[in-house]
Amino acid sequence: GQNIDQPTEMTATEGAIVQINCTYQTSGFNGLFWYQQHAGEAPTFLSYNVLDGLEEKGRFSSFLSRSKGYSYLLLKELQMKDSASYLCASSDSNYQLIWGAGTKLIIKP
Amino acid sequence: NAGVTQTPKFRVLKTGQSMTLLCAQDMNHEYMYWYRQDPGMGLRLIHYSVGEGTTAKGEVPDGYNVSRLKKQNFLLGLESAAPSQTSVYFCASGTESGANVLTFGAGSRLTVL
Repeated sequence: GQNIDQPTEMTATEGAIVQINCTYQTSGFNGLFWYQQHAGEAPTFLSYNVLDGLEEKGRFSSFLSRSKGYSYLLLKELQMKDSASYLCASSDSNYQLIWGAGTKLIIKP
Repeated sequence: NAGVTQTPKFRVLKTGQSMTLLCAQDMNHEYMYWYRQDPGMGLRLIHYSVGEGTTAKGEVPDGYNVSRLKKQNFLLGLESAAPSQTSVYFCASGTESGANVLTFGAGSRLTVL
């Protein structure tokens, strides 16, 4: 079956670094995507990986290991506005996104 | 540039009533999607469209119908609402080349009593 696993909730301190892990199992693979969703708002695209390795975008980086079915999102220099849910999604053989339930990130001052 | 616009934002229905959710995008995107989001679960695809006049079933299509008569609009219909359809519905659009980089609407919260 198809499955995306990520932690339900994480807490971190403002200014620190946090890593949100995601493991996936999908029929076929066409990329791993990360979206951010603030409470009560729409998801917004953050980053994606198709090949193994690290993709860096400012304070946010995303890593992929296809052999391990594993990805992580790394957030540096955390700000209060980073408090949100982070959604991991894998693109399957039909280029349809299979979504995880999301990781709620709580930032404390 | 409005992006993806959904109407209505909130709606309360009684069991058995029908309604239509409207999604409009002004980015000339080929692909459009309807998802539902429930607590503790990932987004689930209801129906999608890869172009004007085409629609296809997603993961949870039962109880819903869709139409895409114009490229910019994607309608989601509930013919006979059930309490299990209480959810937040998101419309999204994407280009053919970057189909998984989606732009989402603000969401429509539907409650079925």
